[in-house]
Amino acid sequence: DTGVSQDPRHKITKRGQNVTFRCDPISEHNRLYWYRQTLGQGPEFLTYFQNEAQLEKSRLLSDRFSAERPKGSFSTLEIQRTEQGDSAMYLCASSPRASGNTDTQYFGPGTRLTVL
Amino acid sequence: GNSVTQMEGPVTLSEEAFLTINCTYTATGYPSLFWYVQYPGEGLQLLLKATKADDKGSNKGFEATYRKETTSFHLEKGSVQVSDSAVYFCALSGHDSGAGSYQLTFGKGTKLSVIP
Repeated sequence: DTGVSQDPRHKITKRGQNVTFRCDPISEHNRLYWYRQTLGQGPEFLTYFQNEAQLEKSRLLSDRFSAERPKGSFSTLEIQRTEQGDSAMYLCASSPRASGNTDTQYFGPGTRLTVL
Repeated sequence: GNSVTQMEGPVTLSEEAFLTINCTYTATGYPSLFWYVQYPGEGLQLLLKATKADDKGSNKGFEATYRKETTSFHLEKGSVQVSDSAVYFCALSGHDSGAGSYQLTFGKGTKLSVIP
């Protein structure tokens, strides 16, 4: 068990470019979440997958954002036509099957995006 | 909607001092409560959790008790060390939205610095 991994760790891009981030969850974790964290704030929920199905999306996830999880393993988050306001840390978390009224999420190191 | 309020930082303490970081929440139903820690340059790590009223979560000398009557989950440690310097996030996980998601709602974080 190597934990949740994310790639790249840092990404600098110019406004208007497209970027894609990858998340590899802990093996056998069927639940995967994406969050966004801006400076001085706590993470905010973006979207949730159970296996390959994207079951919930935040209103923060504009139509420039798209996320996939083919085959229920790794996930990608793509941002099209990036804007300076997209600059943030993008965090991925995974969890095993829920137990009782909750699940416990394990976070990756994040991808820091800077849009110039 | 769900929300978490935690004390503003930064907090600076001398080694072996007593630590309290206040956290209060607003939520429907019966949320689970978490404290996550983010060490410099690293991702979020789960520190402790509590899933029902009066539960006490504990780990690495840190403790927090789920108080439903005061909607609080204050983090405490009896004697802090320099290695505890980090940003601490209080979070709650609401009940299943119907899509199977237990998305986390975070506070803004409290930066703790412990000096020798």
